[in-house]
Amino acid sequence: GENVEQHPSTLSVQEGDSAVIKCTYSDSASNYFPWYKQELGKRPQLIIDIRSNVGEKKDQRIAVTLNKTAKHFSLHITETQPEDSAVYFCAATPYNFNKFYFGSGTKLNVKP
Amino acid sequence: GAGVSQTPSNKVTEKGKYVELRCDPISGHTALYWYRQSLGQGPEFLIYFQGTGAADDSGLPNDRFFAVRPEGSVSTLKIQRTERGDSAVYLCASSPRQGGYNEQFFGPGTRLTVL
Repeated sequence: GENVEQHPSTLSVQEGDSAVIKCTYSDSASNYFPWYKQELGKRPQLIIDIRSNVGEKKDQRIAVTLNKTAKHFSLHITETQPEDSAVYFCAATPYNFNKFYFGSGTKLNVKP
Repeated sequence: GAGVSQTPSNKVTEKGKYVELRCDPISGHTALYWYRQSLGQGPEFLIYFQGTGAADDSGLPNDRFFAVRPEGSVSTLKIQRTERGDSAVYLCASSPRQGGYNEQFFGPGTRLTVL
């Protein structure tokens, strides 16, 4: 099955700085890569996703890049704000599958 | 509209007891998923329903775990003879249809503590 690894496990940045979270996956059949944000005690919520037919996707301060050859994808958050503080999970899944394989999470702390 | 809901939000039980966890998906969503999230880890897939049938139960850890979705809407995850290692947050998610590039909408989870 798919194995998703995520780094770093914790990340602390100053407000206004950029944050980058990286994930690798093992199954070349994976072609959908969502990112979820989970605030303390809350449910995971989708913040951005990318399909394997594109290399980059951007939504305001958030962007995701995908390198299919190297089997890795990254989340980029620019101009971080304290409300960005949360745990971020990457996931991977093949198109016809119905289960997400999640990374172990990155706890992002944005210091005001 | 209403999101995915789960009850109870917290469940404390004793080792060896039986528990049921309930999930109400978003109305009209045909696909329903159960995940288990241990402390400091990402959600781990347990089982997936398409309609009333369990299409993939490969993530259930053993035969003490069972899930049903008799009418294709509400689902119940059942755990028999609970063990301390079953303690975790159990997350339910739903999506409009199976497969494809579909967002999974998560519920708030049920925190299960086995003493």
